[in-house]
Amino acid sequence: SQQGEEDPQALSIQEGENATMNCSYKTSINNLQWYRQNSGRGLVHLILIRSNEREKHSGRLRVTLDTSKKSSSLLITASRAADTASYFCATYGWNDMRFGAGTRLTVKP
Amino acid sequence: DVKVTQSSRYLVKRTGEKVFLECVQDMDHENMFWYRQDPGLGLRLIYFSYDVKMKEKGDIPEGYSVSREKKERFSLILESASTNQTSMYLCASRTRHHRGLANYGYTFGSGTRLTVV
Repeated sequence: SQQGEEDPQALSIQEGENATMNCSYKTSINNLQWYRQNSGRGLVHLILIRSNEREKHSGRLRVTLDTSKKSSSLLITASRAADTASYFCATYGWNDMRFGAGTRLTVKP
Repeated sequence: DVKVTQSSRYLVKRTGEKVFLECVQDMDHENMFWYRQDPGLGLRLIYFSYDVKMKEKGDIPEGYSVSREKKERFSLILESASTNQTSMYLCASRTRHHRGLANYGYTFGSGTRLTVV
């Protein structure tokens, strides 16, 4: 069954703006991961945040995790046209990973 | 550079055919996974394997089987292809748990877009 649910389903912004995507999930997790997928390709791992962490940074990416609300957010700062892609959150629970349906981000030049 | 290779990018098969989707990884990963991806449904787990000759059903195993005879290769088999199996199929691998925690992300292949006509 699908575990994470991203919000919004689609997001369109101008280059230079920040993009925020949210993810909610249902059960306990060991960690939560964010992936990116360019159109028609495989997924690429972006960042992992463990259940005992609250915030993590990687370059222009900032991820937060609130286990009490079972939610996470991915912030991409100073977006670029090349950031156009679908972004998925994935929750790792007992022994495998479940993905949401993704947020389609379009960054207009 | 680590790699997960799926043998075909695009595949067209007829209803009722037996279809083999191959996935090979060169990272000596123990764990391998097959997902299908459909619009609005995200990725759904079909089968996964913890190690050679081991397999576990995911959320939607019906109509599929798998084979893991060698560590580097994980095959997905559609026993009798049907039109509702038209989808993008993604293979992924990951190293074994470290101290009981999955510290590492998955590495995905580029996907196989299967059309069943």
